[in-house]
Amino acid sequence: AQSVAQPEDQVNVAEGNPLTVKCTYSVSGNPYLFWYVQYPNRGLQFLLKYITGDNLVKGSYGFEAEFNKSQTSFHLKKPSALVSDSALYFCAVSPGGGYNKLIFGAGTRLAVHP
Amino acid sequence: GAGVSQTPSNKVTEKGKYVELRCDPISGHTALYWYRQSLGQGPEFLIYFQGTGAADDSGLPNDRFFAVRPEGSVSTLKIQRTERGDSAVYLCASSLTSGGISGANVLTFGAGSRLTVL
Repeated sequence: AQSVAQPEDQVNVAEGNPLTVKCTYSVSGNPYLFWYVQYPNRGLQFLLKYITGDNLVKGSYGFEAEFNKSQTSFHLKKPSALVSDSALYFCAVSPGGGYNKLIFGAGTRLAVHP
Repeated sequence: GAGVSQTPSNKVTEKGKYVELRCDPISGHTALYWYRQSLGQGPEFLIYFQGTGAADDSGLPNDRFFAVRPEGSVSTLKIQRTERGDSAVYLCASSLTSGGISGANVLTFGAGSRLTVL
């Protein structure tokens, strides 16, 4: 079955430190991979996506993610966290070749402390 | 409009009642999606429209759930004989098109409609 795993319910990091939010997936073929962020009472907002090409993709607000095909991972990273980055982060995969029937992970809550 | 608009933002109903949730996508977006997000979980796919037709409704949990998009723009998700287990946030998203590499099109989500069934 196709699935996305976010192994950490919550990640805590001090402001200014690097952050990593983990994501692994199980999808056949060549998937498209996405990260979305959700702030309270707001819709999911797109951060970045991997389609093909360079394994390191850069997105909004200084976030980046690295696609690792052998480990089937797509971890989200940022070199220096801000308190305003505190939110709920979702990894999602589209099986590819068709429409965006996205499969989402359960989400990871990021808490950045001053 | 500038974004995806969903109404109502909150709906409280009693078990057994009928509910309609409305989604107004971004103008010009031909693809429209409904997802359901239960507490502590990621969004789950319900149904996808390309234009007026439901191209994939495989995520609808049962025949109490139905969605329409008669003019290829606004969509309504309809839930009959609501049950307490239907309580969730219902998310609508739209994108420019879909299929092939455009399956990588970014979805723009609305803020959601929170449904509570008492």
